[in-house]
Amino acid sequence: DAKTTQPNSMESNEEEPVHLPCNHSTISGTDYIHWYRQLPSQGPEYVIHGLTSNVNNRMASLAIAEDRKSSTLILHRATLRDAAVYYCILGRFSGTYKYIFGTGTRLKVLA
Amino acid sequence: SAVISQKPSRDICQRGTSLTIQCQVDSQVTMMFWYRQQPGQSLTLIATANQGSEATYESGFVIDKFPISRPNLTFSTLTVSNMSPEDSSIYLCSVVPGLLSYNEQFFGPGTRLTVL
Repeated sequence: DAKTTQPNSMESNEEEPVHLPCNHSTISGTDYIHWYRQLPSQGPEYVIHGLTSNVNNRMASLAIAEDRKSSTLILHRATLRDAAVYYCILGRFSGTYKYIFGTGTRLKVLA
Repeated sequence: SAVISQKPSRDICQRGTSLTIQCQVDSQVTMMFWYRQQPGQSLTLIATANQGSEATYESGFVIDKFPISRPNLTFSTLTVSNMSPEDSSIYLCSVVPGLLSYNEQFFGPGTRLTVL
């Protein structure tokens, strides 16, 4: 079954870059890689997604390994508001399009 | 984008009773989903709510326990039936606006359920 593996927690200093890793060794060729984050008492919010190539948006960058078995979410300059649980998710077509959530990484940002 | 509201935001219920959670979207959407987030855990997909037909349930979830209605393209309900303390969780709905299913999902704020 599709599965992602993430570190339970990470710490970063404010205004420094953060690299959040994710392993997805059982990814299939048509699975998308999504990243969401969840702040306390809120639903998850979209960060970025990609299929094969690296992706950039105003929030973050997504670096995808050539074999697609791992990816890294990059926050270029962490702020205190970036403290959240970050989920690496595989999106898979199986009848309908489904998200398979990983366990998440709790990011702590230090002032 | 889509703005999603859920009712109730939280509830405390007695075991053996049922609770119906509502999910309202501010625009018509084709794809709507229900998730469960157990305390301190990640999200697990319960089912896909299909408009005009029966929901599609994931392994481990059954219609008798989690009946779902989707009467139109902006509204859905999830009922948690015959509740036990193990059903204490946050229940979230999500939608995908537009026709591209791999695009951004928008999540509601969740319904925090405590079963005594």
